[in-house]
Amino acid sequence: GENVEQHPSTLSVQEGDSAVIKCTYSDSASNYFPWYKQELGKGPQLIIDIRSNVGEKKDQRIAVTLNKTAKHFSLHITETQPEDSAVYFCAASLFNNNDMRFGAGTRLTVKP
Amino acid sequence: EPEVTQTPSHQVTQMGQEVILRCVPISNHLYFYWYRQILGQKVEFLVSFYNNEISEKSEIFDDQFSVERPDGSNFTLKIRSTKLEDSAMYFCASSVLTNEKLFFGSGTQLSVL
Repeated sequence: GENVEQHPSTLSVQEGDSAVIKCTYSDSASNYFPWYKQELGKGPQLIIDIRSNVGEKKDQRIAVTLNKTAKHFSLHITETQPEDSAVYFCAASLFNNNDMRFGAGTRLTVKP
Repeated sequence: EPEVTQTPSHQVTQMGQEVILRCVPISNHLYFYWYRQILGQKVEFLVSFYNNEISEKSEIFDDQFSVERPDGSNFTLKIRSTKLEDSAMYFCASSVLTNEKLFFGSGTQLSVL
């Protein structure tokens, strides 16, 4: 089955700097890659997703890149703000398969 | 904004007892899921449900687990005889399309003593 590895486990940046979180996946058939943000006491919230027919997707300060050949994808947050502090999870799945596999999470801290 | 709601937020039970975790998915969503997260570990898929039947389940979802949509709004996860290792945060999720853009609830923290 699919295995998703996520790095780093913790990341601390200064407000205004960029943050990059990387994930690798094992199943070359996976074609859907969402990113979730989990704040304390809440469930994961989808922040951006990408399908395998696209190499990059942006939404304001957030972008995701996908390298299908290398089987890795990354989350980029620019101009970080303290409210970006949370745990971020990547995930991978086959589009019509309901078993989505998550990475272990990255705890991002943005220092003011 | 519509949201997935879960009750209770915390559940404490004795080992061997049955528990039912409740979820109200977003009203126009067709696909429903349960995930769990043991403290400090990955979010793990348990089961997906569509058209009143299980569409997929993981190896974690053994005979002790069951899901039900008893009416048009609720979606429940039952653990028949809880074990210590069932202690985790259980998340319900729902989506319009299969496995895309899942909306998660805030979770039920289950503690088995």
